[in-house]
Amino acid sequence: SQQGEEDPQALSIQEGENATMNCSYKTSINNLQWYRQNSGRGLVHLILIRSNEREKHSGRLRVTLDTSKKSSSLLITASRAADTASYFCATDRIQGAQKLVFGQGTRLTINP
Amino acid sequence: GAVVSQHPSRVICKSGTSVKIECRSLDFQATTMFWYRQFPKQSLMLMATSNEGSKATYEQGVEKDKFLINHASLTLSTLTVTSAHPEDSSFYICSAYGLRSYNEQFFGPGTRLTVL
Repeated sequence: SQQGEEDPQALSIQEGENATMNCSYKTSINNLQWYRQNSGRGLVHLILIRSNEREKHSGRLRVTLDTSKKSSSLLITASRAADTASYFCATDRIQGAQKLVFGQGTRLTINP
Repeated sequence: GAVVSQHPSRVICKSGTSVKIECRSLDFQATTMFWYRQFPKQSLMLMATSNEGSKATYEQGVEKDKFLINHASLTLSTLTVTSAHPEDSSFYICSAYGLRSYNEQFFGPGTRLTVL
């Protein structure tokens, strides 16, 4: 399979705690992106990190990228009930014409 | 960010009928559109890449005669599921990429297809 792996597949935490999701991929990439998907809805773009970047922040989100290990992590700090969703990483290969390969996703549940 | 719409958002049809799904980029010109399929509790799988004015490129295992894609303009791509069967029931999502997207694809809200 060309898809990357994400772990954990499911994560349930209490509101206010931090949530960390990991993503691994298989090929050299241009960029790695994280998306959120609420149940039965489309994708919401969260953050893009380029292959020459190691860390990026956006509000309560922190993304790291380790190209030597072909892995990335998404940290959501001070989680809220509204953060409950599935989170996917997606990579585009250097020679992929912007094709995105999605990870399996992590289903995050924030308990009030 | 740019806006991509899909129509219809939900469709229920009988087995054997054909269903057309539209994907529109509302405020930018999409040189490339992608079609994905997502089964329940699974990830998105790329079905095909659609470039304006040329034939779509299908991923391995996707039947081009069953999933007809037309990208007639820089703002519209259509996916037609021909002779739909229950196993085609899925969530179909399009995304659009333009010259000024800076490597970001903009996703439509998805179309839920249920084939009875």
